[in-house]
Amino acid sequence: DAGITQSPRHKVTETGTPVTLRCHQTENHRYMYWYRQDPGHGLRLIHYSYGVKDTDKGEVSDGYSVSRSKTEDFLLTLESATSSQTSVYFCAIRGGASGGGEQFFGPGTRLTVL
Amino acid sequence: KQEVTQIPAALSVPEGENLVLNCSFTDSAIYNLQWFRQDPGKGLTSLLLIQSSQREQTSGRLNASLDKSSGRSTLYIAASQPGDSATYLCAAQSSGNTPLVFGKGTRLSVIA
Repeated sequence: DAGITQSPRHKVTETGTPVTLRCHQTENHRYMYWYRQDPGHGLRLIHYSYGVKDTDKGEVSDGYSVSRSKTEDFLLTLESATSSQTSVYFCAIRGGASGGGEQFFGPGTRLTVL
Repeated sequence: KQEVTQIPAALSVPEGENLVLNCSFTDSAIYNLQWFRQDPGKGLTSLLLIQSSQREQTSGRLNASLDKSSGRSTLYIAASQPGDSATYLCAAQSSGNTPLVFGKGTRLSVIA
């Protein structure tokens, strides 16, 4: 299995609070991704990173920010959580010199915003 | 813009049947295509990665093919088992530094 972990695995928070999810990899891969998965919407890309301090937006980036200060860690922050951000969040990593390698997913974080 | 479609959304088959899952994509200038499996409440597990220069990839009872000219990929599962029941997703990458574009998946049920 690819060395990718997510923390926390479950979180319940209240509307308006900031939340940070962490993705950690031991594969030294350059590319990292944050997705959310919701019934009826499938998997949607939030943000991704193609190197330390290099990030870009995905299709549903509003209300989210990311940071990557080290190769192994990619953080997703919900600045002020809303109920619409209740979801399962997946981190993924991708290998290959130019990002064309196999993509692997973490186990997911189930976030509930009350 | 690449779009990926998987039809049908759900499929039910009897145990032992050979089956094919379909994936279509709109941009034939594809870099690679990857198939994943997702069990309920779990993350995605990579099954097969097909590079644009390849026609197919095999892993055990699974065989994935890629036809760029027709914009199609298929995942063939031989001698299906109840343990194959899961949602299968395909995803296409248009270039090495672009994110994967996912289909919404086909939910497979293999009935014993």
